[in-house]
Amino acid sequence: EIVMTQSPATLSVSPGERATLSCRASQSVSSNLAWYQQKPGQAPRLVMYSASTRATGIPARFSGTGSGTEFTLTINSLQSEDFAVYYCQQFDYWPLTFGGGTKVEIK
Amino acid sequence: QVRLVQSGAEVRTPGASVKVSCTASGYTFTSYAIHWVRQAPGQRLEWMGWINVGNGDKKYSQKFQDRVTITRDTSASTAYMELGSLRSEDTAVYYCARGDIVLIDYWGQGTLVTVSS
Repeated sequence: EIVMTQSPATLSVSPGERATLSCRASQSVSSNLAWYQQKPGQAPRLVMYSASTRATGIPARFSGTGSGTEFTLTINSLQSEDFAVYYCQQFDYWPLTFGGGTKVEIK
Repeated sequence: QVRLVQSGAEVRTPGASVKVSCTASGYTFTSYAIHWVRQAPGQRLEWMGWINVGNGDKKYSQKFQDRVTITRDTSASTAYMELGSLRSEDTAVYYCARGDIVLIDYWGQGTLVTVSS
């Protein structure tokens, strides 16, 4: 199965600053990659799909890039509601697989 | 709006089975798939399988295919996930989620299943 590796595990960022999250696939997944945001005690929420397409209701400060094996989620001007755990997930191969997550915390 | 409401927390002993329900509203139930994903404490999200609600096609992760059964009742807009031969490592929050065959867009609130003797 495709192994998804996220880095860093924890990212400490001040409100208003930029956060850059990385996701690597063990083999090419083309652009078939999604990002989810999860807050404590809540279900995940789709943030980005097909590597660079924002999901419904996601603000423009979120952007995604990458293809093949290397992907990045960037959050510009972090707001309080953005502090959460972010997971990447590939949907190019079965089984669907998720990364281990990056926790974006307040610095 | 899209809403997926799951059944409540369950406690089971090792070797037993559990069945979790997921009732959908706010969209045409038969136009999407329902995926099941679990999250054990401190672990990453783990995809278990999906059902194409419209035609009943299913696909399971090889890891679970001997123990999991996903079904749906279109008249009740409800999907079910039954996991058998439970062991302590199956203690997790189980999520249902809507999507197409591969992309998940909306998630249920999760159901905690605890396996303990």
